[in-house]
Amino acid sequence: QSALTQPASVSGSPGQSITISCTGTSSDVGYYKYVSWYQQYPRTAPKLMIYEVSNRPSGVSNRFSGSKSGNTASLTISGLQAEDEADYYCSSYTSSNTVIFGGGTKLTVL
Amino acid sequence: QVQLVESGGAVVQPGRSLRLSCAASGFTFRTYAMYWVRQAPGKGLEWVAVISYDGSENYYADSVKGRFTISRDNSRNTLYLQMNSLRPEDTAVYSCARDTVTSPYYDYAMDVWGQGTTVTVSS
Repeated sequence: QSALTQPASVSGSPGQSITISCTGTSSDVGYYKYVSWYQQYPRTAPKLMIYEVSNRPSGVSNRFSGSKSGNTASLTISGLQAEDEADYYCSSYTSSNTVIFGGGTKLTVL
Repeated sequence: QVQLVESGGAVVQPGRSLRLSCAASGFTFRTYAMYWVRQAPGKGLEWVAVISYDGSENYYADSVKGRFTISRDNSRNTLYLQMNSLRPEDTAVYSCARDTVTSPYYDYAMDVWGQGTTVTVSS
């Protein structure tokens, strides 16, 4: 199964908002609520930022929000900060009882 | 504190086998589904396998199905990944991770991760 589709890179200035898209199919993102987002700094373990499309784990800033429309999920980061510069990955449960990740998006804070 | 520590990574020749371990501590291991996820050098995350809290269910990515086996020993708080018929494309950092919810449910989201163990498949 092919990876979910994410833009390779996005950028924004401090204080701005950015959105990262994650496009799948009706067999994964479009059908299930099990869409998650992860933040990863170089050479460190991923950190869960959003689960079940729009839920934030305890301790994650409310500047991070998630949504879904059809086969596309989105991660929005508002009030962009330098510390948000990282790689971001989406994931989804699939109808094949598997999990699939997106290819990852590199966020640059200008 | 809640912690996952992987071990067992090595440099191996194509076609050989390797078993990875993931030691869990700081939480009730036997009540969570567990995952293996890998990341090839300079590449993105790739889901490898999942096992239910009691080991009765497991599922695999197509890329490893038939070659890799996920298992767990709840008495030892340890997760395993048996990797057979290794290929150069299996070269990656392998990490174990915990599901966000307790048994018998899955949330297919991973809230605790280990730092990973490196597997290099090369002749």
